Amino acid sequence: KAGVTQTPRYLIKTRGQQVTLSCSPISGHRSVSWYQQTPGQGLQFLFEYFSETQRNKGNFPGRFSGRQFSNSRSEMNVSTLELGDSALYLCASSLGPGNNQPQHFGDGTRLSIL
Amino acid sequence: GQQVMQIPQYQHVQEGEDFTTYCNSSTTLSNIQWYKQRPGGHPVFLIQLVKSGEVKKQKRLTFQFGEAKKNSSLHITATQTTDVGTYFCTENAGNMLTFGGGTRLMVKP
Repeated sequence: KAGVTQTPRYLIKTRGQQVTLSCSPISGHRSVSWYQQTPGQGLQFLFEYFSETQRNKGNFPGRFSGRQFSNSRSEMNVSTLELGDSALYLCASSLGPGNNQPQHFGDGTRLSIL
Repeated sequence: GQQVMQIPQYQHVQEGEDFTTYCNSSTTLSNIQWYKQRPGGHPVFLIQLVKSGEVKKQKRLTFQFGEAKKNSSLHITATQTTDVGTYFCTENAGNMLTFGGGTRLMVKP
């Protein structure tokens, strides 16, 4: 069974640009969550999608957005990039909503802002 | 989800020594999940504890959930170099994980 797939693996952008990251969950998983990981702030929850609906949202500005498609694949978008957006962006999938679902993480997209 | 505090932040051990990391919450947790992230890797789910006083073992790893469901621990017996990484505990609240800082384990061969 293929794991969570994130593309691209690496990305370099400049300030002011926008970026779209993609996540394909494990087959059969319908919930997708996004996290930002930085050395200073650690792992922080961005948002979670289930059935194409955003169910939870972390404490990030509106420049960070996402969506989920009918096949459960998800994208996140960051507009007007800032230097502080440089981070590893991780996607995690699980079977569905509920507190007892293990989260399966992808390898992440490493975003560097110049 | 409720953020849990984790100690220590870093731990250096000699290979073969034991290692323990502790998680504490000011409020009762519905569950606790443990993840391990190897250097350069992504978090990998290890285990989930749900019941008060629950103890689970995975080979050399022992996980405990406190009686009050406010704390948890992970104990590794006789560490190996393959145990290197950062161990995170977190409550899973509706697929929203609120990670603490984790404990970074370094093992000297």
